[in-house]
Parts: sequence; C-alpha cells; structure tokens
Amino acid sequence: RKEVEQDPGPFNVPEGATVAFNCTYSNSASQSFFWYRQDCRKEPKLLMSVYSSGNEDGRFTAQLNRASQYISLLIRDSKLSDSATYLCVVNKSGYNKLIFGAGTRLAVHP
Amino acid sequence: EAGVTQFPSHSVIEKGQTVTLRCDPISGHDNLYWYRRVMGKEIKFLLHFVKESKQDESGMPNNRFLAERTGGTYSTLKVQPAELEDSGVYFCASSPVRGTLSTGELFFGEGSRLTVL
Repeated sequence: RKEVEQDPGPFNVPEGATVAFNCTYSNSASQSFFWYRQDCRKEPKLLMSVYSSGNEDGRFTAQLNRASQYISLLIRDSKLSDSATYLCVVNKSGYNKLIFGAGTRLAVHP
Repeated sequence: EAGVTQFPSHSVIEKGQTVTLRCDPISGHDNLYWYRRVMGKEIKFLLHFVKESKQDESGMPNNRFLAERTGGTYSTLKVQPAELEDSGVYFCASSPVRGTLSTGELFFGEGSRLTVL
C-alpha cells in the first residue's frame, strides 16, 4: 500500500467551479501535511501547509482529519491558471524528508 | 536570488553508460535533497545532505547510484551503469531549515530528465 494515496484524476472543471481533492496517508506517525502544486514539466512548489484546525488561503482551503488520516484541498472559483497537478505531501515525525502522493491532475476550461 | 539549478535538463543515454547530474542549491541552504519521479509514479526521496554530510540515503535504489556534495555546495548524482528502469525525472531541492521539515517548504529545481535507451 502506498504511504500517500490520491485520486489521479483528471478533474475537468469549468472556470468558476468548486473542486475538491482528497488524500489519505497510511502512517499514523505522520506529523506535518502539505499541498504542493506542479505545473506541466515544472518543479513542485509549496501551495500551502495543512493544519489540524483547517486553514484557508484565498480561494484555497485545506483540511486535516488525523483520526481518519485524511487530507483535503478545496479550490473555489477555479481559474484557468489553477490547471496543474496537486500533490499531497506528508512528513513523518523525526524524519527529514517529504513523502509525496502521485498527484491529482486538474484541468480548468473556459 | 537564483533558485535551485540543475544540469542537464535532459539527458539521453544508452543502457550501460554513465550519467552525472548536477545540482546547485540556493546559496546558503545547508540542506540538499535528491528526489526522483519515475513515469506514472510518485516523487520519491533518494537522499539528504546537510552541508557535505549524507544524513539519510535510505532512498537510494542500489549501489549504481552515487551522490556527492564536496565542500557542501553543489551536488552530483552519478548513475553507473545506467539501466532502463533509471529513466525518470531527477529533482534536486534545497532548504535552509534545520531539523525536521515542519514548514514543508523545499525549493525544487526544474529537474533533470533522464532517458535510458
């Protein structure tokens, strides 16, 4: 079983739509959680951290459920520029390395 | 400020040949990481340097892979001899954060795409 599981998509949505991505992680020792964004043939970039209380950054909302080992990312009012692959990432306690999911691809169309 | 730079951006070699990938981290970043993405799979950790010391090389696939970071600045990753399954994108990342990655922010290079024929 993979340590971080994501629906690969693709999610094809029109501009203005709301879209949600889910992610599950298998190791309960996971301590820190993040969403990264990767554009086609580019490097991954940190989008936002995910906190237990949930957190929001503009149109993006991240949620964490430690009991269910589940992480989500909600994007409201999708823009064409949101088209990318969204990577769910965890860091295990005491380890200095990030563990990536395979990513969920989002395509926003006019 | 310059970001993480990697060279070459794309390398095509034949099975059995040697390839050396180079990474220049952001100046002042003591932590340097190598990751790899094989086609259709997730990005996977290979190893981690703090300055010139290897902190964790648990992700290195086998002894055909050798990473160095002499002087604690740039790093090289050599694959010798290359096999077909080594094809993928090799990412280098750096971070100034000491200790565990609580902030999660690694600064990645654009990657070196390796194709082994």
